[in-house]
Amino acid sequence: DTEVTQTPKHLVMGMTNKKSLKCEQHMGHRAMYWYKQKAKKPPELMFVYSYEKLSINESVPSRFSPECPNSSLLNLHLHALQPEDSALYLCASSLDGTSGYNEQFFGPGTRLTVL
Amino acid sequence: AQSVTQPDIHITVSEGASLELRCNYSYGATPYLFWYVQSPGQGLQLLLKYFSGDTLVQGIKGFEAEFKRSQSSFNLRKPSVHWSDAAEYFCAVGARAAGNKLTFGGGTRVLVKP
Repeated sequence: DTEVTQTPKHLVMGMTNKKSLKCEQHMGHRAMYWYKQKAKKPPELMFVYSYEKLSINESVPSRFSPECPNSSLLNLHLHALQPEDSALYLCASSLDGTSGYNEQFFGPGTRLTVL
Repeated sequence: AQSVTQPDIHITVSEGASLELRCNYSYGATPYLFWYVQSPGQGLQLLLKYFSGDTLVQGIKGFEAEFKRSQSSFNLRKPSVHWSDAAEYFCAVGARAAGNKLTFGGGTRVLVKP
């Protein structure tokens, strides 16, 4: 299994809602990532988990809360988002989070719209 | 800090013609370089990567890239483009010191004319 899966594919939420994005991989990878991608822009790194510990937080607002329950799962909890947070949210995984040369495998993304 | 520049925002190429996408990077040590492709509304798929060794790297879908340290470049090429190659292409550099953080270029959108 060489896939990273993400659910849901699409999500529409109001600014007062709480929702979660889910990411899963079964490749035995020990690093997982959340990226945000706006239209016609490259992905921007948000968080990195390495061996289930948060290793990088790119100064992301606290309305985004990541969670790594185990080595295969990564969640992104959303609360009180703003319309400008509407974007494609991509999850990725790699063999580890320290080598630099391990390629990252990306999921198909969740298209989030905040009304 | 590392950075990546993709000078061409858009490229239009005829089906069957050759394609070259430019990528220039800035990094103090030996870089880890990647090319990803993204179809509309989809995730990113790795085309190829360079870590060390042979500077001409073969990837999937008939793509290849050449690492030129003297020019700080990692250009992507394909001899004959297919309509399905229409997509956004991202060059990226990884750095061990940055905890496996990938820095992406701005992307090049490839349009394929029939």
